[in-house]
Amino acid sequence: DSGVTQTPKHLITATGQRVTLRCSPRSGDLSVYWYQQSLDQGLQFLIQYYNGEERAKGNILERFSAQQFPDLHSELNLSSLELGDSALYFCASSVVPSGGRETQYFGPGTRLLVL
Amino acid sequence: ILNVEQSPQSLHVQEGDSTNFTCSFPSSNFYALHWYRWETAKSPEALFVMTLNGDEKKKGRISATLNTKEGYSYLYIKGSQPEDSATYLCAFGNEKLTFGTGTRLTIIP
Repeated sequence: DSGVTQTPKHLITATGQRVTLRCSPRSGDLSVYWYQQSLDQGLQFLIQYYNGEERAKGNILERFSAQQFPDLHSELNLSSLELGDSALYFCASSVVPSGGRETQYFGPGTRLLVL
Repeated sequence: ILNVEQSPQSLHVQEGDSTNFTCSFPSSNFYALHWYRWETAKSPEALFVMTLNGDEKKKGRISATLNTKEGYSYLYIKGSQPEDSATYLCAFGNEKLTFGTGTRLTIIP
């Protein structure tokens, strides 16, 4: 158990809908990362937050947004969902912004299925 | 676009045998190389973070080496056990992590 929690575990929704994925980092970690794992693709970095502020952005679609709250939990909002958004979404956390050298601890993921 | 490649894509190994697989990454602007172990239905679990050319890290029967000049890292598993069955991911760290697609290892009892 990494100490990172994600809810819900599974989510089934329809195209055009909007969903919110939630992540609580490990105690003491200030930085949160979101990743997407689609079929046959590696983990794709979406976005990073550090202490409430956006720190780095990856291949995140404009339909997706995220935020980190004062209690450090983070939410990833996915809107106008398309079939291709079906994927496993991971949240990870680290003590400080990774900069590539800090270990990132991964949550169990949220599996999203868009029908 | 950073290219992180892992080979082989999948591997079947007899219990008790040793094995290794490769992660290739850009040799310029190297910052860090991460290895993760990902069991089905679980979270990716951090194994190593390697930052220096020539680094060797070990955790039980698993070890890794790093060559930043030529852009590759090897992961070795000695005396494979069924519990080693997992997907092993490497990630190139440079502000953010860029992951390879992994090597899926199956240990045959």
